[in-house]
Amino acid sequence: DIQMTQSPSSLSASVGDRVTITCRASQSISRYLNWYQQKPGKAPKLLIYVASSLQSGVPSRFSGSGSGTDFTLTISSLQPEDFATYYCQQSYSTPPAFGQGTKVEIK
Amino acid sequence: QLQLQESGPGLVKPSETLSLTCTVSGGSISSGNYYWGWIRQPPGKGLEWIGSIYYTGSTYYKSSLKSRVTISVDTSKKQFSLKMSSVTAADTAVYYCARTGGSWYGWFDSWGQGTLATVSS
Repeated sequence: DIQMTQSPSSLSASVGDRVTITCRASQSISRYLNWYQQKPGKAPKLLIYVASSLQSGVPSRFSGSGSGTDFTLTISSLQPEDFATYYCQQSYSTPPAFGQGTKVEIK
Repeated sequence: QLQLQESGPGLVKPSETLSLTCTVSGGSISSGNYYWGWIRQPPGKGLEWIGSIYYTGSTYYKSSLKSRVTISVDTSKKQFSLKMSSVTAADTAVYYCARTGGSWYGWFDSWGQGTLATVSS
């Protein structure tokens, strides 16, 4: 099975900051990498699919990049509603696997 | 707008069977473009895929859970269901149903709100 590792596990940032979260796969997954946002008590929400495609309705300050084993989620200017936990997920092969999550907190 | 809603008992005794149903509204469960999956999240922990089903009834399971899990679909009711047998405290989690795009191991683009299933005597 493919393992997904995110870094950092948590970060503190201020409104307006540029934030970058990294996800690494244990083997090449081409561009089959997806990103989710989860707020406390809520279901995850798809932000980015296939590495860089923005899901409908998601603000353009979210972007994704990468291929192979290394991927990045970037929030260009952090907004108050962006404080949440972010997960990556590989969709290259079964079973689909998630990273352990990155919690973005208010500095 | 597509909506998914999980339902089922919130409390299950150890060694018994957990049964959950996901009802789909605002869209077709028989769309050939999507699969329908179950994902769980233990309290304070990460996300784990359990398995998925296609509207034809084809099923796909995580290997470590396969012996205990059955997923089925009822297209006439626009529902799909999860049964997990011989549950233990380790199966306590919020269980989500979700629509899956791309393949059965694709991206989860629409989720239910989740239901907490607690395994306790």
